[in-house]
Amino acid sequence: EADIYQTPRYLVIGTGKKITLECSQTMGHDKMYWYQQDPGMELHLIHYSYGVNSTEKGDLSSESTVSRIRTEHFPLTLESARPSHTSQYLCASRSAEKHGELFFGEGSRLTVL
Amino acid sequence: DAKTTQPNSMESNEEEPVHLPCNHSTISGTDYIHWYRQLPSQGPEYVIHGLTSNVNNRMASLAIAEDRKSSTLILHRATLRDAAVYYCILRDAGRRDSNYQLIWGAGTKLIIKP
Repeated sequence: EADIYQTPRYLVIGTGKKITLECSQTMGHDKMYWYQQDPGMELHLIHYSYGVNSTEKGDLSSESTVSRIRTEHFPLTLESARPSHTSQYLCASRSAEKHGELFFGEGSRLTVL
Repeated sequence: DAKTTQPNSMESNEEEPVHLPCNHSTISGTDYIHWYRQLPSQGPEYVIHGLTSNVNNRMASLAIAEDRKSSTLILHRATLRDAAVYYCILRDAGRRDSNYQLIWGAGTKLIIKP
């Protein structure tokens, strides 16, 4: 059973609003990731972190930002939401073990009107 | 990372074995083969991974061709709860482990008929 949680599960918001998607894990994993997935499409990595105070951009450009102040938390923020940001956002973590499996949260489905 | 090719969708009857194929003709010697699945409205979950030898765990078996250019995920007795999108992904063990940029394709949508 994965111990990684995302909130909110669903969010409908108007254009221009600031939003933060929360991701928390209780497994003590150093490595955490944010993926973006449109319906029926593949996952794209948008941010990752090796540990506290470490963040990097992934292979898909994103207007979102992330922070890693504590090991357990890896929140994603959009300063000004737009309809093009409508998507599912998936948070994941893994241990430092070389082939440690990725544990995913249930996702946050964002709709920007 | 090398690419993989999977069928878009497959159908199977409940309680029958399912063989999900994956082609990876450009696989390198240090690429591990990983399988994840994504149930509807959920995040992906790990299924199994292997390098050269066939692998078994409580969820599935992974059969890897001798030349490693293809592999097959085997669900021994599919249930309705196995209906999901199954992703076959290569992960280069020789890469710097500072990120985990798995290249996710569209996967195979497995439909289980009762």
